[in-house]
Amino acid sequence: SYDLTQPPSLSVSPGQTASITCSGDKLGDKNACWYQQKPGQSPVLLIYQYNKRPSGIPERFSGSISGNTATLTISGTQTMDEADYYCQTWDSTTVVFGGGTKLTVL
Amino acid sequence: QVQLVESGGGVVQPGRSLRLSCAASGFTFSNYAMHWVRLAPGKGLEWVAMVSFEGSDGNGEYYVDSVKGRFTISRDNSKNTLYLQMNSLRVEDTAVYYCAKDDGVFTFDYWGQGTLVTVSS
Repeated sequence: SYDLTQPPSLSVSPGQTASITCSGDKLGDKNACWYQQKPGQSPVLLIYQYNKRPSGIPERFSGSISGNTATLTISGTQTMDEADYYCQTWDSTTVVFGGGTKLTVL
Repeated sequence: QVQLVESGGGVVQPGRSLRLSCAASGFTFSNYAMHWVRLAPGKGLEWVAMVSFEGSDGNGEYYVDSVKGRFTISRDNSKNTLYLQMNSLRVEDTAVYYCAKDDGVFTFDYWGQGTLVTVSS
């Protein structure tokens, strides 16, 4: 089965840059997107096709790909960005999520 | 605007069945693949199942290994509704179940609010 690996947790201070990585075999040949989920809420699509941002998503959220690692970058992190973040791709007709990264902003 | 509204969750004993529904509006439902994704307590998001859109590969259905043979995803395009029939439920199926719209390339651009399924004796 296909796996995506994310760090379980990350802690940053307000105003700093947060970078969350997501690694998978040949991920650079597939596609990747990122979701934000806050407690008690549904996930929200933040980034698709590695680096595209849906309308309504703040510009401080950006995505990139290098080799087999996708990265979500949050510039000028705000306290409201405290949440769980998931990367996602697909393999054949199976959708795969990373394990999630809990971002703490304090 | 796109809306996805799940229903059908509840408390059920192990081995029993439950059917979830997801009512869709605000887009041409038949033109998009649809998915179920779940979030178990203390765990991360897990994709559960997908049904293709009309005219693709004939309403193909795809499942995560842990639910194959127990869950069935289906859709009624005349009712703009997605379903998940869950049989032989296990304690480990306890989760919030979300329906999600596929934007065409296996990306979930819209999500429902979720419905809680609790499997417990």
